[in-house]
Amino acid sequence: EVQLVESGGGLVQPGGSLRLSCAASGFSFNSYEMIWVRQAPGKGLEWVSYISTSGSPINYADSVKGRFTISRDNAKNSLYLQMNSLRAEDTAVYYCATFSPYRASGDWGQGTLVTVSS
Amino acid sequence: DIQMTQSPSTLSASVGDRVTITCRASQSINTWLAWYQQKPGKAPKLLIYKTSTLESGVPSRFRGSGSGTEFTLTISSLQPDDFATYYCQKYNGYSKTFGQGTKVEIK
Repeated sequence: EVQLVESGGGLVQPGGSLRLSCAASGFSFNSYEMIWVRQAPGKGLEWVSYISTSGSPINYADSVKGRFTISRDNAKNSLYLQMNSLRAEDTAVYYCATFSPYRASGDWGQGTLVTVSS
Repeated sequence: DIQMTQSPSTLSASVGDRVTITCRASQSINTWLAWYQQKPGKAPKLLIYKTSTLESGVPSRFRGSGSGTEFTLTISSLQPDDFATYYCQKYNGYSKTFGQGTKVEIK
């Protein structure tokens, strides 16, 4: 059974940093591209970042470019999102999801809440 | 960047109704489009990928169509479990942009 478990969310002050993790199990993690998606309270889904199976290429939404860094460790079956210079508008539930050109984002984690507030 | 626009934003319907949601891309995305269903407090669930391919286990009352810049999600006979928010997502290239969502409410 595919499992994606996000962790690392919490309360952080504006300008602060946070590192999210996504632990994958039940599938060949190194065969799947991955994405991060976020959802601000009461708002829609926003794609945040993409990473290929090998770690390159990667891509970011304009709203996080230069502040967030996506990475993965295939040996540890883990995906990461380093978030720096956090702003109030980054407050959201962050989801990790698999991605395949053959099945889009078929598997999702349960999400982790990031709150940016003083 | 390619923008995705869904319409309507909210849709009021009754059980048994035929429902259609439209998703437009600002430029051609061929058929690289997916649809997701999301219920409050839950992660999105994949319904359809590659414009019209039904994800395993998704009821056949869901149907996707389109190509290029205009796409539709049709629910042939709305069921109580279908009241939710629906999102389209384009996934050609390295950006995986979502539409703003369509909330299907009980009329």
